[in-house]
Amino acid sequence: GQNIDQPTEMTATEGAIVQINCTYQTSGFNGLFWYQQHAGEAPTFLSYNVLDGLEEKGRFSSFLSRSKGYSYLLLKELQMKDSASYLCVLNYGGATNKLIFGTGTLLAVQP
Amino acid sequence: GAGVSQSPSNKVTEKGKDVELRCDPISGHTALYWYRQRLGQGLEFLIYFQGNSAPDKSGLPSDRFSAERTGESVSTLTIQRTQQEDSAVYLCASSLGTGLDEQFFGPGTRLTVL
Repeated sequence: GQNIDQPTEMTATEGAIVQINCTYQTSGFNGLFWYQQHAGEAPTFLSYNVLDGLEEKGRFSSFLSRSKGYSYLLLKELQMKDSASYLCVLNYGGATNKLIFGTGTLLAVQP
Repeated sequence: GAGVSQSPSNKVTEKGKDVELRCDPISGHTALYWYRQRLGQGLEFLIYFQGNSAPDKSGLPSDRFSAERTGESVSTLTIQRTQQEDSAVYLCASSLGTGLDEQFFGPGTRLTVL
């Protein structure tokens, strides 16, 4: 299977940095995505990694290590609006471009 | 509109009835996807369309579920003889192509089966 494991909940303080980890047990995927989902809303794309290493995109960075089956999303300068679920997602591309979603990490940003 | 739209936004139905959920993808997007999200759970892949064809139906949970797409545009997900376990938010997404193209999600249809 493609078990994707993330912490269920995290709490952080406004202005701080938080790292959300994701581990998975699979191989052969094309890329790993991170999506953000606010309560009652659809997921929105944040970043993706194809190769090992760090991808930076403004306040958000994502890291992938295929050999270790590990990824993380780093959020800097946290804002209250960053309170949301963060979904670690595997993309199988090829003929399907199927996304396999983890259950997500609910991040609460406190003042 | 510029984004993916879905209708209805909410649907309440009685067990055993059929329902149709509609998705209008972003114009020009060749790929269209249906996902289901049960309360407190992650998204489950249901079906994928490339153009009007569905090369991957592996996620459809039973033969009560079917989907079609016409004109390489609108898609309809039909659930026959609904059951209470079908209650979920059904999300549609579209992407320009396949591979690693970003998928853009619609707001979803919240289905409640009484």
